[in-house]
Amino acid sequence: AQTVTQSQPEMSVQEAETVTLSCTYDTSESNYYLFWYKQPPSRQMILVIRQEAYKQQNATENRFSVNFQKAAKSFSLKISDSQLGDTAMYFCAFMSRSGNTGKLIFGQGTTLQVKP
Amino acid sequence: GAGVSQTPSNKVTEKGKYVELRCDPISGHTALYWYRQSLGQGPEFLIYFQGTGAADDSGLPNDRFFAVRPEGSVSTLKIQRTERGDSAVYLCASSLLGSAGELFFGEGSRLTVL
Repeated sequence: AQTVTQSQPEMSVQEAETVTLSCTYDTSESNYYLFWYKQPPSRQMILVIRQEAYKQQNATENRFSVNFQKAAKSFSLKISDSQLGDTAMYFCAFMSRSGNTGKLIFGQGTTLQVKP
Repeated sequence: GAGVSQTPSNKVTEKGKYVELRCDPISGHTALYWYRQSLGQGPEFLIYFQGTGAADDSGLPNDRFFAVRPEGSVSTLKIQRTERGDSAVYLCASSLLGSAGELFFGEGSRLTVL
């Protein structure tokens, strides 16, 4: 069974600075997707960034980028130029490509607070 | 609306009662998911629908939980004989087939069992 672990329950960063959130996962599969989702206090989960395991290049979406280390099964999220609106809970998630169910396995989450 | 809609937003019930939670997905999304999120935890998968059928219900915790999607659009999660441990936020998400994990979530229904 796949597992996703986020070892940082809470993080804080000053506005305009850079922060990195950690995630490790365990799987015996070679073909999968990894995601970072954001959950603000409104509770609505929003996709931040997605990485396909067979792609070596790290995904980037504006101020958000990942460091994907497949051999180490590590998938960290870097937020540059942090903004107050980035304050939220962040979840790392895994999805197997076999079976094509689209089922996500989430980590426990990291609460990020951006301070003015 | 354009997004996933869930009702009720909050539900308080007494132990042993029956509860229904409704999800209205984004129009045209064939895949629909239910997740359960306990306080301070990540969402846990409950069930996945592709069209009208439950393609994967391996996450349903026991036979008190049941979900339907009779016309391939709106889905209802049904919980019988509720227990205090069922208290959580129930999240619904929808996606296009083959969207590679881009799920669109609703704001959830917070269930409190007294």
